[in-house]
Amino acid sequence: DAKTTQPNSMESNEEEPVHLPCNHSTISGTDYIHWYRQLPSQGPEYVIHGLTSNVNNRMASLAIAEDRKSSTLILHRATLRDAAVYYCILSGGTSYGKLTFGQGTILTVHP
Amino acid sequence: NAGVTQTPKFRVLKTGQSMTLLCAQDMNHEYMYWYRQDPGMGLRLIHYSVGEGTTAKGEVPDGYNVSRLKKQNFLLGLESAAPSQTSVYFCASSNQGRPLHFGNGTRLTVT
Repeated sequence: DAKTTQPNSMESNEEEPVHLPCNHSTISGTDYIHWYRQLPSQGPEYVIHGLTSNVNNRMASLAIAEDRKSSTLILHRATLRDAAVYYCILSGGTSYGKLTFGQGTILTVHP
Repeated sequence: NAGVTQTPKFRVLKTGQSMTLLCAQDMNHEYMYWYRQDPGMGLRLIHYSVGEGTTAKGEVPDGYNVSRLKKQNFLLGLESAAPSQTSVYFCASSNQGRPLHFGNGTRLTVT
């Protein structure tokens, strides 16, 4: 699987937008970009995924660069509950859903 | 709707003892996975299954065995526990092209 690079940590204030970057310069044409997050003492939970176009859901937005070599997860208004480790993961179409987790970005949200 | 349920939640073993971790899902998912997470690290795939009666090795399969006799259950066995297997174990399930759903983990300590 292609590798992703994320900052080790980021900080934000409550109710402000958060932009979490991810670089994936070796992405292949069939790789989907997935974002999961892991709250303290819990299993990871799905946030959003996309292939080429920007995506929005109730939790977040995913902005994908035109060359697909980077993407940004956008939390529009951070809350204290958004403090978590955020993982950016690439997965090909024939991988049977197997995901390779890196170390992710630790997001701290200040009141 | 229980989702993915892991039992037990905590366990302490002595070196050389054996145990089985149980994962049960009620979402009729085809695929199931076992991951381990060591402190400060991302998740690593141990074994996975793409359907009832099938299993396959992941990234770190040594020292573990699995079975998927029923579609809803995926068992992870440690035949002779070692301190290096001290970790938090997460089970997940999904269908093709759909997000993974994770359990809340089993914290295993091997002394």
